[in-house]
Amino acid sequence: RKEVEQDPGPFNVPEGATVAFNCTYSNSASQSFFWYRQDCRKEPKLLMSVYSSGNEDGRFTAQLNRASQYISLLIRDSKLSDSATYLCVVDNQGGKLIFGQGTELSVKP
Amino acid sequence: SQTIHQWPATLVQPVGSPLSLECTVEGTSNPNLYWYRQAAGRGLQLLFYSVGIGQISSEVPQNLSASRPQDRQFILSSKKLLLSDSGFYLCAFTRLSPSSYEQYFGPGTRLTVT
Repeated sequence: RKEVEQDPGPFNVPEGATVAFNCTYSNSASQSFFWYRQDCRKEPKLLMSVYSSGNEDGRFTAQLNRASQYISLLIRDSKLSDSATYLCVVDNQGGKLIFGQGTELSVKP
Repeated sequence: SQTIHQWPATLVQPVGSPLSLECTVEGTSNPNLYWYRQAAGRGLQLLFYSVGIGQISSEVPQNLSASRPQDRQFILSSKKLLLSDSGFYLCAFTRLSPSSYEQYFGPGTRLTVT
Protein backbone atom coordinates (compact mmCIF):
# COMPACT_ATOMS: atom_id res chain seq x y z
CA ARG A 1 0.00 0.00 0.00
CA LYS A 2 1.33 3.44 -0.91
CA GLU A 3 1.96 5.81 1.99
CA VAL A 4 -0.15 8.53 0.36
CA GLU A 5 -2.77 7.65 -2.24
CA GLN A 6 -4.68 9.93 -4.56
CA ASP A 7 -6.98 9.47 -7.50
CA PRO A 8 -4.74 10.49 -10.44
CA GLY A 9 -7.67 11.82 -12.47
CA PRO A 10 -7.76 13.69 -14.75
CA PHE A 11 -10.73 15.63 -13.49
CA ASN A 12 -12.25 17.60 -16.35
CA VAL A 13 -14.73 20.19 -15.08
CA PRO A 14 -16.40 23.31 -16.50
CA GLU A 15 -15.67 26.76 -15.18
CA GLY A 16 -17.70 27.51 -12.07
CA ALA A 17 -17.95 23.88 -11.00
CA THR A 18 -17.16 22.56 -7.54
CA VAL A 19 -14.59 19.78 -7.46
CA ALA A 20 -13.34 17.64 -4.59
CA PHE A 21 -10.09 15.71 -4.29
CA ASN A 22 -9.53 12.94 -1.79
CA CYS A 23 -6.39 11.48 -0.32
CA THR A 24 -5.66 8.68 2.13
CA TYR A 25 -2.50 8.08 4.13
CA SER A 26 -1.22 4.94 5.77
CA ASN A 27 0.78 6.17 8.78
CA SER A 28 -1.54 6.92 11.68
CA ALA A 29 1.33 8.77 13.41
CA SER A 30 1.49 11.40 10.66
CA GLN A 31 1.50 14.85 12.15
CA SER A 32 1.10 17.48 9.46
CA PHE A 33 -0.75 17.59 6.19
CA PHE A 34 -0.62 19.83 3.15
CA TRP A 35 -1.99 20.41 -0.30
CA TYR A 36 0.45 21.59 -2.96
CA ARG A 37 -0.27 22.74 -6.47
CA GLN A 38 2.09 21.92 -9.34
CA ASP A 39 1.80 23.50 -12.76
CA CYS A 40 3.26 21.71 -15.77
CA ARG A 41 7.08 21.66 -15.64
CA LYS A 42 7.14 23.89 -12.56
CA GLU A 43 7.97 23.38 -8.90
CA PRO A 44 5.24 22.45 -6.41
CA LYS A 45 3.81 25.43 -4.54
CA LEU A 46 2.17 25.24 -1.14
CA LEU A 47 -1.56 25.76 -1.49
CA MET A 48 -2.56 25.27 2.11
CA SER A 49 -1.74 23.42 5.28
CA VAL A 50 -4.52 21.18 6.59
CA TYR A 51 -5.49 21.61 10.22
CA SER A 52 -7.46 19.22 12.39
CA SER A 53 -10.43 21.55 12.56
CA GLY A 54 -10.49 22.05 8.81
CA ASN A 55 -9.58 25.31 7.17
CA GLU A 56 -10.71 27.54 4.37
CA ASP A 57 -8.85 29.97 2.14
CA GLY A 58 -11.14 31.75 -0.28
CA ARG A 59 -12.55 29.17 -2.70
CA PHE A 60 -10.46 26.37 -1.20
CA THR A 61 -11.46 24.23 1.78
CA ALA A 62 -9.32 21.48 3.29
CA GLN A 63 -10.55 18.82 5.70
CA LEU A 64 -8.72 16.23 7.78
CA ASN A 65 -10.22 13.08 9.23
CA ARG A 66 -7.60 11.45 11.45
CA ALA A 67 -9.80 8.49 12.37
CA SER A 68 -10.20 7.53 8.72
CA GLN A 69 -6.72 8.80 7.72
CA TYR A 70 -8.31 10.86 5.01
CA ILE A 71 -7.68 14.37 3.66
CA SER A 72 -9.80 16.32 1.22
CA LEU A 73 -9.59 19.48 -0.83
CA LEU A 74 -12.68 21.25 -2.14
CA ILE A 75 -12.46 23.91 -4.83
CA ARG A 76 -15.54 26.03 -5.38
CA ASP A 77 -16.32 28.16 -8.43
CA SER A 78 -13.46 26.67 -10.46
CA LYS A 79 -11.41 29.02 -12.61
CA LEU A 80 -9.42 28.23 -15.73
CA SER A 81 -6.32 29.15 -13.73
CA ASP A 82 -7.04 26.34 -11.26
CA SER A 83 -5.94 23.82 -13.91
CA ALA A 84 -2.91 22.05 -12.41
CA THR A 85 -1.90 18.91 -10.56
CA TYR A 86 -2.82 18.88 -6.87
CA LEU A 87 -0.48 17.01 -4.55
CA CYS A 88 -1.52 15.59 -1.21
CA VAL A 89 1.43 15.69 1.18
CA VAL A 90 1.97 14.14 4.61
CA ASP A 91 4.73 14.92 7.10
CA ASN A 92 5.61 11.75 8.99
CA GLN A 93 8.77 12.80 10.76
CA GLY A 94 9.05 16.51 11.36
CA GLY A 95 9.91 17.67 7.88
CA LYS A 96 10.29 14.52 5.80
CA LEU A 97 7.38 14.89 3.42
CA ILE A 98 5.67 12.05 1.63
CA PHE A 99 4.02 13.13 -1.62
CA GLY A 100 1.07 11.56 -3.33
CA GLN A 101 1.23 11.03 -7.07
CA GLY A 102 -1.06 14.00 -7.62
CA THR A 103 -4.52 14.57 -9.05
CA GLU A 104 -4.72 16.36 -12.38
CA LEU A 105 -7.41 19.01 -12.76
CA SER A 106 -8.43 20.55 -16.05
CA VAL A 107 -10.97 23.38 -15.94
CA LYS A 108 -12.63 24.02 -19.29
CA PRO A 109 -14.40 27.19 -20.46
CA SER B 1 11.64 37.52 2.82
CA GLN B 2 12.98 34.02 2.29
CA THR B 3 13.89 32.92 -1.22
CA ILE B 4 15.45 29.81 -2.70
CA HIS B 5 17.54 29.61 -5.86
CA GLN B 6 18.65 26.70 -8.00
CA TRP B 7 20.90 26.46 -11.01
CA PRO B 8 21.20 25.59 -13.71
CA ALA B 9 17.56 25.57 -14.83
CA THR B 10 18.17 22.91 -17.47
CA LEU B 11 21.04 20.56 -18.15
CA VAL B 12 21.82 17.94 -20.77
CA GLN B 13 24.66 15.61 -19.84
CA PRO B 14 26.05 12.41 -21.39
CA VAL B 15 26.04 9.12 -19.50
CA GLY B 16 29.14 8.78 -17.35
CA SER B 17 29.73 12.52 -16.93
CA PRO B 18 29.81 14.24 -13.51
CA LEU B 19 27.04 16.37 -12.08
CA SER B 20 26.86 19.32 -9.74
CA LEU B 21 23.60 21.10 -8.93
CA GLU B 22 23.52 24.00 -6.54
CA CYS B 23 20.82 25.37 -4.25
CA THR B 24 21.02 28.47 -2.07
CA VAL B 25 18.57 29.99 0.37
CA GLU B 26 18.32 33.65 1.39
CA GLY B 27 16.58 35.37 4.25
CA THR B 28 16.85 32.61 6.83
CA SER B 29 19.49 30.93 8.93
CA ASN B 30 20.07 27.25 9.70
CA PRO B 31 17.23 26.00 7.48
CA ASN B 32 16.48 22.34 6.95
CA LEU B 33 17.30 21.65 3.30
CA TYR B 34 16.06 18.89 1.00
CA TRP B 35 16.78 17.43 -2.43
CA TYR B 36 13.94 15.73 -4.31
CA ARG B 37 13.72 14.12 -7.73
CA GLN B 38 10.63 13.88 -9.88
CA ALA B 39 10.92 11.44 -12.77
CA ALA B 40 8.68 12.00 -15.78
CA GLY B 41 5.05 11.25 -14.89
CA ARG B 42 5.90 10.25 -11.35
CA GLY B 43 5.73 11.67 -7.85
CA LEU B 44 8.42 13.43 -5.85
CA GLN B 45 11.05 11.26 -4.24
CA LEU B 46 13.11 12.56 -1.31
CA LEU B 47 16.82 11.99 -2.00
CA PHE B 48 18.69 13.82 0.78
CA TYR B 49 18.00 16.16 3.66
CA SER B 50 20.22 18.24 5.89
CA VAL B 51 19.60 19.83 9.27
CA GLY B 52 22.92 21.69 9.38
CA ILE B 53 26.35 22.25 7.86
CA GLY B 54 28.01 18.94 7.04
CA GLN B 55 24.97 16.94 8.19
CA ILE B 56 23.48 14.87 5.36
CA SER B 57 20.94 12.07 5.52
CA SER B 58 20.36 9.87 2.50
CA GLU B 59 16.93 8.45 1.83
CA VAL B 60 17.54 6.35 -1.26
CA PRO B 61 20.66 4.37 -2.24
CA GLN B 62 21.95 5.64 -5.57
CA ASN B 63 24.96 7.08 -7.33
CA LEU B 64 24.16 10.59 -6.11
CA SER B 65 25.62 12.43 -3.13
CA ALA B 66 24.90 15.69 -1.36
CA SER B 67 26.95 18.19 0.57
CA ARG B 68 26.25 21.27 2.65
CA PRO B 69 29.43 23.32 2.77
CA GLN B 70 27.71 26.46 4.08
CA ASP B 71 24.61 27.12 6.14
CA ARG B 72 22.47 28.16 3.18
CA GLN B 73 24.07 26.15 0.39
CA PHE B 74 23.14 22.61 -0.62
CA ILE B 75 24.84 20.76 -3.46
CA LEU B 76 23.80 17.58 -5.28
CA SER B 77 26.55 15.69 -7.07
CA SER B 78 27.34 12.59 -9.04
CA LYS B 79 30.66 11.24 -10.27
CA LYS B 80 29.11 9.30 -13.17
CA LEU B 81 25.57 9.90 -14.39
CA LEU B 82 23.24 7.09 -15.42
CA LEU B 83 20.34 7.32 -17.87
CA SER B 84 18.01 6.72 -14.93
CA ASP B 85 19.24 9.94 -13.28
CA SER B 86 17.19 11.99 -15.73
CA GLY B 87 14.46 13.96 -14.02
CA PHE B 88 13.39 17.19 -12.39
CA TYR B 89 15.55 17.97 -9.34
CA LEU B 90 14.03 20.17 -6.70
CA CYS B 91 15.61 21.77 -3.66
CA ALA B 92 13.42 22.79 -0.73
CA PHE B 93 13.75 24.48 2.65
CA THR B 94 11.55 24.33 5.70
CA ARG B 95 9.88 27.28 7.34
CA LEU B 96 8.17 26.88 10.67
CA SER B 97 4.57 28.05 10.52
CA PRO B 98 2.36 28.47 13.60
CA SER B 99 1.50 24.79 13.62
CA SER B 100 3.75 22.88 11.27
CA TYR B 101 6.89 22.86 9.20
CA GLU B 102 6.05 24.06 5.70
CA GLN B 103 8.38 23.31 2.80
CA TYR B 104 9.06 25.70 -0.03
CA PHE B 105 10.63 24.64 -3.30
CA GLY B 106 13.14 26.20 -5.63
CA PRO B 107 12.43 26.46 -9.36
CA GLY B 108 14.16 23.15 -10.07
CA THR B 109 16.74 21.81 -12.50
CA ARG B 110 15.56 19.68 -15.39
CA LEU B 111 18.28 17.11 -16.10
CA THR B 112 18.39 14.99 -19.23
CA VAL B 113 21.04 12.28 -19.38
CA THR B 114 21.74 11.16 -22.93
